[in-house]
Amino acid sequence: GNSVTQMEGPVTLSEEAFLTINCTYTATGYPSLFWYVQYPGEGLQLLLKATKADDKGSNKGFEATYRKETTSFHLEKGSVQVSDSAVYFCALTTIMIYNQGGKLIFGQGTELSVKP
Amino acid sequence: EAQVTQNPRYLITVTGKKLTVTCSQNMNHEYMSWYRQDPGLGLRQIYYSMNVEVTDKGDVPEGYKVSRKEKRNFPLILESPSPNQTSLYFCASTSGFNTGELFFGEGSRLTVL
Repeated sequence: GNSVTQMEGPVTLSEEAFLTINCTYTATGYPSLFWYVQYPGEGLQLLLKATKADDKGSNKGFEATYRKETTSFHLEKGSVQVSDSAVYFCALTTIMIYNQGGKLIFGQGTELSVKP
Repeated sequence: EAQVTQNPRYLITVTGKKLTVTCSQNMNHEYMSWYRQDPGLGLRQIYYSMNVEVTDKGDVPEGYKVSRKEKRNFPLILESPSPNQTSLYFCASTSGFNTGELFFGEGSRLTVL
């Protein structure tokens, strides 16, 4: 089946620390991979995406590389800020899954808290 | 401004009292869906719609209904809410071009006593 597994949180870091949030997936077919971010009290918003193996998605200093050989899409940032405190969701879709109303398969979410 | 609007944002109700959560988008998107978010489970799709009058079940449809009479609106109906439907609900919309970018509402936190 299709699934996404993320490292458990919460993750607590000091400002300017290096961030890694692990994400691995299983999928039939050729998935596209995403990271979504949910700030407190808000809906999810797309952070970055990669649509094929070895692609790197990047946005706002965050990066993730689509690794087919390890079925992973780990999120990284070199220096986190307090404003990065949020819940981060890894997700995948394929053409077949997306044809169900734009469906994404989400991981369980990882809460990040950044302290000054 | 492109947005998905849900109402109400917060609701406390009692078992068996019918309720509707409204969702409206202003982006002329064909695809709309409802998700519920529960701790440790991420987001799970409840129902989806591919266009007006075209709806189908997602992964967790039991106890829910939807309708799509107009392109912009996609209400979620709980005919007889039960405590296991206490959750955070999100409406999402997207175009049909497989970009993977869903636009989410701000969420509706529902508590069923």
